[in-house]
Amino acid sequence: DTEVTQTPKHLVMGMTNKKSLKCEQHMGHRAMYWYKQKAKKPPELMFVYSYEKLSINESVPSRFSPECPNSSLLNLHLHALQPEDSALYLCASSQGVLASVGETQYFGPGTRLLVL
Amino acid sequence: GQQLNQSPQSMFIQEGEDVSMNCTSSSIFNTWLWYKQEPGEGPVLLIALYKAGELTSNGRLTAQFGITRKDSFLNISASIPSDVGIYFCAGQIGGSQGNLIFGKGTKLSVKP
Repeated sequence: DTEVTQTPKHLVMGMTNKKSLKCEQHMGHRAMYWYKQKAKKPPELMFVYSYEKLSINESVPSRFSPECPNSSLLNLHLHALQPEDSALYLCASSQGVLASVGETQYFGPGTRLLVL
Repeated sequence: GQQLNQSPQSMFIQEGEDVSMNCTSSSIFNTWLWYKQEPGEGPVLLIALYKAGELTSNGRLTAQFGITRKDSFLNISASIPSDVGIYFCAGQIGGSQGNLIFGKGTKLSVKP
């Protein structure tokens, strides 16, 4: 089973709203990732969690707040977003973050976010 | 920063034709991954390559990890309409804490 699930599939929010994106995996992976993807572009890394601790924050604005409640769950809390934040938000997981042993990332289906 | 050059940017082919796309970089990678993404969906892993020179097949797909560790190609044989999508290569550098470097994608269109 290499499934990563994400909810909701679609989300429309106003600039004053607070919402959360959720990601779940049951593969025993210890690394989880958030990516942002604009149309016709490759995914851009936002955050990396390793063993439930934030290990990489790619200079993401504070209106995006990640949370890793346990090893299977990853949330992305959204507050005061801008229209330019509209994108496909992808979650991924891998066994670990030791790149030297060839970690493979598995992606979820994404949440399509529209900020009005 | 590191960059991956993926080509071609797009391809329009007839059903049944073979397809080839590749990625090159000035950096050395420990891992090469090939993903396919369809509209509104997340990238789906097709093939993972971990050793220089490795040649791996997955059905009609074949990918190779270049000997220099700076390039990889993906071939699709006897294309079918459901092969349509955007194909991304992604490379991983040792010690980069899992950070994947993505190519810009190859958009494949297949005419029945």
